[in-house]
Amino acid sequence: GAVVSQHPSWVICKSGTSVKIECRSLDFQATTMFWYRQFPKQSLMLMATSNEGSKATYEQGVEKDKFLINHASLTLSTLTVTSAHPEDSSFYICSARDYGARYGYTFGSGTRLTVV
Amino acid sequence: LAKTTQPISMDSYEGQEVNITCSHNNIATNDYITWYQQFPSQGPRFIIQGYKTKVTNEVASLFIPADRKSSTLSLPRVSLSDTAVYYCLVAPVSYNNNDMRFGAGTRLTVKP
Repeated sequence: GAVVSQHPSWVICKSGTSVKIECRSLDFQATTMFWYRQFPKQSLMLMATSNEGSKATYEQGVEKDKFLINHASLTLSTLTVTSAHPEDSSFYICSARDYGARYGYTFGSGTRLTVV
Repeated sequence: LAKTTQPISMDSYEGQEVNITCSHNNIATNDYITWYQQFPSQGPRFIIQGYKTKVTNEVASLFIPADRKSSTLSLPRVSLSDTAVYYCLVAPVSYNNNDMRFGAGTRLTVKP
C-alpha cells in the first residue's frame, strides 16, 4: 500500500533556530500533501495544504512566514519551522493523497518537535 | 467538510464488541465516511471507509443507515492493543478535495 515517510521522528532545537521536517511519498506521486499539528490529548489541527509546484494554502491563524512549506516535487513536501520558540513544541504530522488508491489518504509517522 | 460529532471517550473490556457512533448531519452526496485509528506519538492509520449500508474488512465493520447522517464503527472482540483514539472523517473522495479536517475523535480504553 501507499507509504508516507516522515523525518525526523523527533528533534530538539534551541529557541531561535529553524527546523525542517520532510514528508515523502515512497511509492506514489502526491500532488497534494497536508500538514497537521497535534498537541497532547488533542485532535489533529490542519495547518496547511501543500500543492506541488504552487504556494501552500494555510488555515486561518497559521503564520505562513513561520511555518514555511515547500512542495517542489510530486514526492516531497517540507515544513520548516522558522525561529522556533518553546510554544512551537508539538507533534507534526503530514499526509498525502494517493489518487491511484480508492481509500486515498496516508499519514506519516509524525515528528515530535521540542524547542528548548 | 461535514462536521462530525463523536463521544469523547469510551471504556471497554477485552473480548467485547465496541461500537463507536459518529454523527454527521450535513453530509453531502459525494462525501465518503472514513475511520482512522491513532496511537500516541504516531500518525493516524486507515481502518475502514464506506458510502452507504455496511462495509466489513478484516479488522472492523462500518454501518451506515440509509439517511447517512451517522455511522457506526464496530470493533469485534477488542484487545488491549485496540486502546487508541478513533477519528471519523467525512469528505469527498475526489481529485480536488483538499479538505481534511479532523473532529475531536473518541478515546477508547480497553481494560483487562
